[in-house]
Amino acid sequence: QVQLVQSGAEVKKPGASVKVSCKASGYTFTSYWMHWVRQAPGQGLEWMGLINPSGSSTTYAQNFQGRVTMTRDTSTSTDYMELSSLRSEDTAVYYCARDSSGGNSWWLDPWGQGTLVSVSS
Amino acid sequence: SSELTQDPAVSVALGQTVRITCQGDCLRTYYASWYQQKPGQAPVLVFYGKNNRPSGIPDRFSGSSSGNTASLTITGAQAEDEADYYCYSRDSSGKHWVFGGGTKLTVL
Repeated sequence: QVQLVQSGAEVKKPGASVKVSCKASGYTFTSYWMHWVRQAPGQGLEWMGLINPSGSSTTYAQNFQGRVTMTRDTSTSTDYMELSSLRSEDTAVYYCARDSSGGNSWWLDPWGQGTLVSVSS
Repeated sequence: SSELTQDPAVSVALGQTVRITCQGDCLRTYYASWYQQKPGQAPVLVFYGKNNRPSGIPDRFSGSSSGNTASLTITGAQAEDEADYYCYSRDSSGKHWVFGGGTKLTVL
């Protein structure tokens, strides 16, 4: 079955970087875009950006420009999201989600299980 | 602020019908997709496009769109439908994507 499995929880100090992985299985990895979404405690979902099927192109949300880097390793069917210069407000659960589209609609399915990143001194 | 606006909270009596709405200019061009999220769990796709329900999602979930408003309707709400619901769409620039702020559904 189609599945996204993310790396485990991380605890980081302010100013550090974190790299979250998302390993895909059950489908042709190089046929789909992947999005990253985060959710701060008690808050809503926030779109962070996406990477194209070959890994050659990314688009990032304005809020994360300059701090986020999304990469793809097609040999292992794994996507990565690295966020730098961490601050306490970056404490959140980070999700990867596979993109699909058609007929002027885009949807995310499935989602990874989420990775909690805690930023604290 | 989000380009997609949702009511923060909605309630419905058990077995009744509830409509959750999402407003935004981008919805005049693009269809929304809808996600259900229960506490401590990842979001789950429940409806997308003009009229598409993923396999495994009960047929009491349906969607519609008119002008700048997309709606998710639950006909005969069940206790297990109590959750947060988010709409999602490509934004007005066509370059990014955006979520609504979410609606917390309470089933009474």
